Amino acid sequence: EAGVTQFPSHSVIEKGQTVTLRCDPISGHDNLYWYRRVMGKEIKFLLHFVKESKQDESGMPNNRFLAERTGGTYSTLKVQPAELEDSGVYFCASSQDRQGNGYTFGSGTRLTVV
Amino acid sequence: AQSVTQLGSHVSVSEGALVLLRCNYSSSVPPYLFWYVQYPNQGLQLLLKYTSAATLVKGINGFEAEFKKSETSFHLTKPSAHMSDAAEYFCAVTQPFKAAGNKLTFGGGTRVLVKP
Repeated sequence: EAGVTQFPSHSVIEKGQTVTLRCDPISGHDNLYWYRRVMGKEIKFLLHFVKESKQDESGMPNNRFLAERTGGTYSTLKVQPAELEDSGVYFCASSQDRQGNGYTFGSGTRLTVV
Repeated sequence: AQSVTQLGSHVSVSEGALVLLRCNYSSSVPPYLFWYVQYPNQGLQLLLKYTSAATLVKGINGFEAEFKKSETSFHLTKPSAHMSDAAEYFCAVTQPFKAAGNKLTFGGGTRVLVKP
């Protein structure tokens, strides 16, 4: 079984540019989550998809962030325009159920905004 | 509401010594608790989880954790540290069966250094 795949693994962009991160969950996992860790801080929840629907987007920092999951398969997280404080590691996770029994995380995308 | 506190952002242990990483949580409902490990340049890997069955949970690589409701703790231990245990460890909590979908709340992480 393939794991959760994220790409790119690293991205360096200039302030004001746009970046799109992608997450491919484990096949058959309806639940997909995005998390973020900025330097020196905790890993924080961003949002949760159930299939193609946004179940909870309470962690999205502002309207510069747009997440989509068309067709309920892979998801993208777009940051437009990027700011310096957006730098960090963005993790994606998927799970089969909603009872919290298990999440599988991807390796993360390290985003650096300069 | 839920929160996690990990005591000590850095821990240094000698190879062969006990590894003890502390985690305290707060949750308005009985929680599920997790320990994740992140090795350098890798993603988060599940070490073990407590989901309301046995309070002593055994995980991979010789780690175990004990859920103590009275102390609201879920400390992680390993009897004998190995050089390969050098990594960052995260405690996380979720509230199962919540309509909102079980998002994880993480502690700040503890980076473990193993000395030869």
